[in-house]
Amino acid sequence: DTGVSQDPRHKITKRGQNVTFRCDPISEHNRLYWYRQTLGQGPEFLTYFQNEAQLEKSRLLSDRFSAERPKGSFSTLEIQRTEQGDSAMYLCASSFSLLVGTGTSNEQFFGPGTRLTVL
Amino acid sequence: QQPVQSPQAVILREGEDAVINCSSSKALYSVHWYRQKHGEAPVFLMILLKGGEQKGHDKISASFNEKKQQSSLYLTASQLSYSGTYFCGTAYNNNDMRFGAGTRLTVKP
Repeated sequence: DTGVSQDPRHKITKRGQNVTFRCDPISEHNRLYWYRQTLGQGPEFLTYFQNEAQLEKSRLLSDRFSAERPKGSFSTLEIQRTEQGDSAMYLCASSFSLLVGTGTSNEQFFGPGTRLTVL
Repeated sequence: QQPVQSPQAVILREGEDAVINCSSSKALYSVHWYRQKHGEAPVFLMILLKGGEQKGHDKISASFNEKKQQSSLYLTASQLSYSGTYFCGTAYNNNDMRFGAGTRLTVKP
């Protein structure tokens, strides 16, 4: 297993453009999380999936953000009409939970992140 | 709600000890500790699930005081490889986690 992978690793875009990031979790993991991290801060929770179901979404996540995990494997995070304030590192993490509701009992494995710069 | 970490930064000499604290204003379900080196993803260190639970990982250990709603990470006989930013992640339910702002640890020879 090669761990969690994310693509692209870097993305530079102009304000107003749409961007999409991909995350491939560890294959047997059924939980997938998206976080955003800015310089000097800890990862900020955005949303998470249990298999293909999106179970929670942060109130900080505006309507311009959408995430999918259509087959319960890889996930995509799309940001529409990007703003300069969206510039950050976007991290994906995965974990395995035997039972619904035990997700935070298990370690999360993080991917290398996608660094977004909005000009 | 985001947990509060202290101190924000600490500088050690090789072989010295350090304690990093993580406090929450709400009752905790679990506490996670991660270390992140510059330009890299966070790496898992340990999870504490029960009040009063202590775990160890080489010379890094942690405690969880459920009553005080806080956790502490103990680094003993620090090594150069311990340098990085340490984050606690606190879970208030079974589903999602909130990270603190981090404690930057620098170990000098």
